[in-house]
Amino acid sequence: AIQMTQSPSSLSASVGDRVTITCRASQGMRNDLGWYQQKPGKAPNLLIYAASSLQSGVPSRFSGSGSGTDFTLTISSLQPEDFATYYCLQYYSYPKTFGHGTKVEIK
Amino acid sequence: VQLVESGGGLVQPGGSLRLSCAASGFTFSDFEINWVRQAPGKGLEWVSYITSSGSTMYFADSVKGRFTITRDNAKNSLYLHMNSLGAEDTAVYYCAREGGHDALDVWGQGTMVTVSS
Repeated sequence: AIQMTQSPSSLSASVGDRVTITCRASQGMRNDLGWYQQKPGKAPNLLIYAASSLQSGVPSRFSGSGSGTDFTLTISSLQPEDFATYYCLQYYSYPKTFGHGTKVEIK
Repeated sequence: VQLVESGGGLVQPGGSLRLSCAASGFTFSDFEINWVRQAPGKGLEWVSYITSSGSTMYFADSVKGRFTITRDNAKNSLYLHMNSLGAEDTAVYYCAREGGHDALDVWGQGTMVTVSS
């Protein structure tokens, strides 16, 4: 199984900050990676698919990059509604695997 | 476009439960569907997958041999049959659709399964 190492596990940031979250795969996986935002008590919401494609309806301050083994989610200017937990998901091979999550908290 | 899970509840260790996922707003028979779970206070764990026709299924090692996945395209419904349940299966269970790009793009609200005596 492909292991997804996500970092950091948590971060504190202020509104307006630029935030970067990374996922590293234990083996190459093309660009078959998605990024999700989850708020407490809610289902995950797809932000980015195919590593860098913005899902319809998602604000343009979210962007993704990477291919192969190293992937990045960037929030260009953090907004109050962005405080949440973020997960990467590889769907290159089964079993699909998630990163362990990054909790973005208010500084 | 909506997925709605049901069937969760309290079950004793060693027991069984069947979860359902009802789809609406899209052509259910065109899409592969997954189950994903989340234990209380923990991260997301992929559980199972089924192709649009129901001919191929995959399972996480943690549930293989205990869970089965089926679908009824005529009823726009997906099912997760869970047997030999243990405390480690306690979680919110989500069904999620695979979009055209294979990412999980539509999720249900989840149904809680609690395994306890």
